[in-house]
Amino acid sequence: AQSVTQLGSHVSVSEGALVLLRCNYSSSVPPYLFWYVQYPNQGLQLLLKYTTGATLVKGINGFEAEFKKSETSFHLTKPSAHMSDAAEYFCAVSYTGGFKTIFGAGTRLFVKA
Amino acid sequence: GAGVSQSPSNKVTEKGKDVELRCDPISGHTALYWYRQSLGQGLEFLIYFQGNSAPDKSGLPSDRFSAERTGGSVSTLTIQRTQQEDSAVYLCASSGDGGLGNQPQHFGDGTRLSIL
Repeated sequence: AQSVTQLGSHVSVSEGALVLLRCNYSSSVPPYLFWYVQYPNQGLQLLLKYTTGATLVKGINGFEAEFKKSETSFHLTKPSAHMSDAAEYFCAVSYTGGFKTIFGAGTRLFVKA
Repeated sequence: GAGVSQSPSNKVTEKGKDVELRCDPISGHTALYWYRQSLGQGLEFLIYFQGNSAPDKSGLPSDRFSAERTGGSVSTLTIQRTQQEDSAVYLCASSGDGGLGNQPQHFGDGTRLSIL
């Protein structure tokens, strides 16, 4: 069975500081991994995804994530936080033939001025 | 191009009434998903449609919930005899072939349902 764990339901950083949102997954088959962002009163938007190939994936808005198979992790990072990054972030996993995508519980990012 | 469209954006109704929520997926997307998001919570999977295959209804919380997808496009989620605990945001998403696993989901902005 697949599962996703996001460490920390809330993360607070200062503007300009490093953003690190943690995601660990469990999968018995090679996973496909996604990060989505949700702004207030909106649906989820894709930030980035890992399917195959390069393990360091770059996404929109300066975010990137690295797939580490040995650590079963897919942490999301951004070198310098901006006020506009304040939102809810969801990590998700799926696999070929799996049909359903499993979403983590989400991490709310707060950015302090 | 047009994204996933959901209507209505907000719905307020009295306990015991039936409600219908509509989702127009992105043209050409064969997979369609419904999720429920309660206040401050994550996504709860409800139902999944893939092409002409039988839908995966494993996430529907009770027999008061049902969904259909007509012509492989528009989907309607129906909640009968609504209860206060049904109050939530209902999100619809679509993607290319869901069986591939590597297709990201495209979400609508949701319908915010409030049961008085």
